[in-house]
Amino acid sequence: DSGVTQTPKHLITATGQRVTLRCSPRSGDLSVYWYQQSLDQGLQFLIQYYNGEERAKGNILERFSAQQFPDLHSELNLSSLELGDSALYFCASSLTGTGSSYNEQFFGPGTRLTVL
Amino acid sequence: DQQVKQNSPSLSVQEGRISILNCDYTNSMFDYFLWYKKYPAEGPTFLISISSIKDKNEDGRFTVFLNKSAKHLSLHIVPSQPGDSAVYFCAASATGQGAQKLVFGQGTRLTINP
Repeated sequence: DSGVTQTPKHLITATGQRVTLRCSPRSGDLSVYWYQQSLDQGLQFLIQYYNGEERAKGNILERFSAQQFPDLHSELNLSSLELGDSALYFCASSLTGTGSSYNEQFFGPGTRLTVL
Repeated sequence: DQQVKQNSPSLSVQEGRISILNCDYTNSMFDYFLWYKKYPAEGPTFLISISSIKDKNEDGRFTVFLNKSAKHLSLHIVPSQPGDSAVYFCAASATGQGAQKLVFGQGTRLTINP
């Protein structure tokens, strides 16, 4: 158990809909990262938040948005869903997420999104 | 643009033998490299890492080798055990640039046969 929790575990929805994925980081971690893993693909970095502020952005579609709240939990909002958005979405957290030395990232169990 | 590549989607090894997983990268700004292990229905778990100032790091049965000139790293597991059967992801970051995000390869599914 990494200490990172994600809800829901599974989500099935229809095209055009909007969903929200939730992540609670490990206690004390200030940084949250979101990654997407499509079928047979590696994890693709979407976005990073550090202490409530957006820190880095990756290949995140404009239909997707995220935020980190004062209690440090984060939500990833996916709207106007398409079939191709079906994937595993992982959240990770790290102690700081800044600086020139690596901060180990701990991954949650993921949310499996299926768009029908 | 696939900056981190794992060219072998799968690998099958006899129990007790050595497993060697390979990874290539293209971005010379990467300065920290990691291997993650992933079981079905679980998130990736950290296995071992190496900084670009080293060429080898060992932790028990796991050793990671880094060849910067070839932009290549490998993970050696000796001896391989049935519990090592999982998908292994190679990842890299450019922490010297202040970037903490990880760039992952596509993964290699390792199967250890009894």
